[in-house]
Amino acid sequence: ETGVTQTPRHLVMGMTNKKSLKCEQHLGHNAMYWYKQSAKKPLELMFVYNFKEQTENNSVPSRFSPECPNSSHLFLHLHTLQPEDSALYLCASSQEWGLETQYFGPGTRLLVL
Amino acid sequence: AQSVTQPDIHITVSEGASLELRCNYSYGATPYLFWYVQSPGQGLQLLLKYFSGDTLVQGIKGFEAEFKRSQSSFNLRKPSVHWSDAAEYFCAHHDYKLSFGAGTTVTVRA
Repeated sequence: ETGVTQTPRHLVMGMTNKKSLKCEQHLGHNAMYWYKQSAKKPLELMFVYNFKEQTENNSVPSRFSPECPNSSHLFLHLHTLQPEDSALYLCASSQEWGLETQYFGPGTRLLVL
Repeated sequence: AQSVTQPDIHITVSEGASLELRCNYSYGATPYLFWYVQSPGQGLQLLLKYFSGDTLVQGIKGFEAEFKRSQSSFNLRKPSVHWSDAAEYFCAHHDYKLSFGAGTTVTVRA
């Protein structure tokens, strides 16, 4: 049990669809992260929220829209995605933004057709 | 800019044999280094981390890593591999964010 859960675990969507990924952490942490993991590429940090405030947007296209309503929940809203957006999307949390150990969820495997 | 390199894409090792995974970093100041493991269908799990102090770091699951400034390396080792160690291993460096290497896939043969 990692303490970080993600739903759904798998998602197939068309390029015109709108969907959302959900992440929930049960660790009492204050920072949450979205990462993209593509095959044979290093993990890419997408967004960081610290105490519900977005502190990092790593030049992510606007078709990805994060939302952090509270310190325990993080969403990634998806719309008009491209096939190259197909990847494993990982959520992580840590006590605070900074030099803290990050705990990862199992990820959502996304396929864009 | 700092970067982390994992030279080996894939390593195959026999069960019971020793394992060493290489990680090189490029950064001037003392780096903050991590090793994570990702089993199939799972998220990443922290094995160990180095911030300062003793350059030989002990982690979970019998893993250890040694920080060598002179070689800019932070290699991961395990003396005797178990079949359950088959996974993908990521070295990472933390500056203002975590930067990961491309990963090394470990296959364990019986």
